[in-house]
Amino acid sequence: LAKTTQPISMDSYEGQEVNITCSHNNIATNDYITWYQQFPSQGPRFIIQGYKTKVTNEVASLFIPADRKSSTLSLPRVSLSDTAVYYCLVGVSFQKLVFGTGTRLLVSP
Amino acid sequence: GAVVSQHPSRVICKSGTSVKIECRSLDFQATTMFWYRQFPKQSLMLMATSNEGSKATYEQGVEKDKFLINHASLTLSTLTVTSAHPEDSSFYICSARSPSGNAGELFFGEGSRLTVL
Repeated sequence: LAKTTQPISMDSYEGQEVNITCSHNNIATNDYITWYQQFPSQGPRFIIQGYKTKVTNEVASLFIPADRKSSTLSLPRVSLSDTAVYYCLVGVSFQKLVFGTGTRLLVSP
Repeated sequence: GAVVSQHPSRVICKSGTSVKIECRSLDFQATTMFWYRQFPKQSLMLMATSNEGSKATYEQGVEKDKFLINHASLTLSTLTVTSAHPEDSSFYICSARSPSGNAGELFFGEGSRLTVL
């Protein structure tokens, strides 16, 4: 199982772009990179998934370099409601997925 | 998207009693479900993999006799915390993969907060 490393916490202000980087040096060929968001006392919620290069959806972008040993979640123009813990997971869902420490993002006014 | 529902969302019980938590996939069939536990300010810890029609696979350090998992149908997995003690108080979360989801995507339930007095 690929192990992930993320910053423990990040601070930002409303309207700013936030980039959270995740390292996964031993990612396997078949592994996808998936990011989840979790609010207190709720289950994690899927944000975005990618395999290589760049993926963008209505809430975020995911940048993956050619070697796939890291990935960066980009949240454009964050708001107070984006305060949450963000987890980077590597693997495929038919296998068990192990959560790392996650990044606690605090968005201030 | 696919929906996974847990029940109850909160439960308080006395020490020594057993508590059952249900995890249902509402609009898809899930041959495999995963159970996680989360303590305050910590990450999710995988407890076990629940397989429909067969025994669950437990992670190292998780007592199988303490945390009974039953996956009797393709839409329901249950976690029973037997003889609960205060140290079992935690947030329990289940997840499942939907055939309609992305390759690495899991759908999570709302979580069940267990408080053992």
